Amino acid sequence: ETGVTQSPTHLIKTRGQQVTLRCSSQSGHNTVSWYQQALGQGPQFIFQYYREEENGRGNFPPRFSGLQFPNYSSELNVNALELDDSALYLCASSLKSTEEETQYFGPGTRLLVL
Amino acid sequence: GDSVTQMEGPVTLSEEAFLTINCTYTATGYPSLFWYVQYPGEGLQLLLKATKADDKGSNKGFEATYRKETTSFHLEKGSVQVSDSAVYFCALSPYGNNRLAFGKGNQVVVIP
Repeated sequence: ETGVTQSPTHLIKTRGQQVTLRCSSQSGHNTVSWYQQALGQGPQFIFQYYREEENGRGNFPPRFSGLQFPNYSSELNVNALELDDSALYLCASSLKSTEEETQYFGPGTRLLVL
Repeated sequence: GDSVTQMEGPVTLSEEAFLTINCTYTATGYPSLFWYVQYPGEGLQLLLKATKADDKGSNKGFEATYRKETTSFHLEKGSVQVSDSAVYFCALSPYGNNRLAFGKGNQVVVIP
């Protein structure tokens, strides 16, 4: 059983550019959530994808968008990058059920915007 | 809205000391509660969880009890090791909605 993987591990972009981050969910999981973790802070929920549809969104602007593919992998896209977008971006996968769903996190992608 | 509050500041202690990290929460309904650990340069690892009142989560010598009356989920370990040095995050997941709300985290440094 493979865990959650993310790519790339590190990325440097300049203000105004666009970026795409990728996540492969843990085997058997059908839900992917994305979080932004600024330096010294706890992760903040961006959005969640289930069955290729957005299933909940946190307090992030529309320039943060995502996709989920039939194999349950996911992408996070950020347009018009700002300096404050510099953070660790974490992907978490889970299996949606009627009971509690535990989220398992990948190692993250560290984005630096200059 | 739902939120988690962790005690302020880093925690520095000697090897084999007793560790407590306080966590309180605000939520409607009956959330699930979690502790995650983040080692330097890595993502988050689930340490333990509890899904209902009075449940005790435990793993690797760490324990936390879901206290509904005090809305708390304090993390404890009886004898810490240098390898326990990491950042610890308390989090909640509202019932029927698995978006996690995290506290700010506590840096734990264990000195040999």
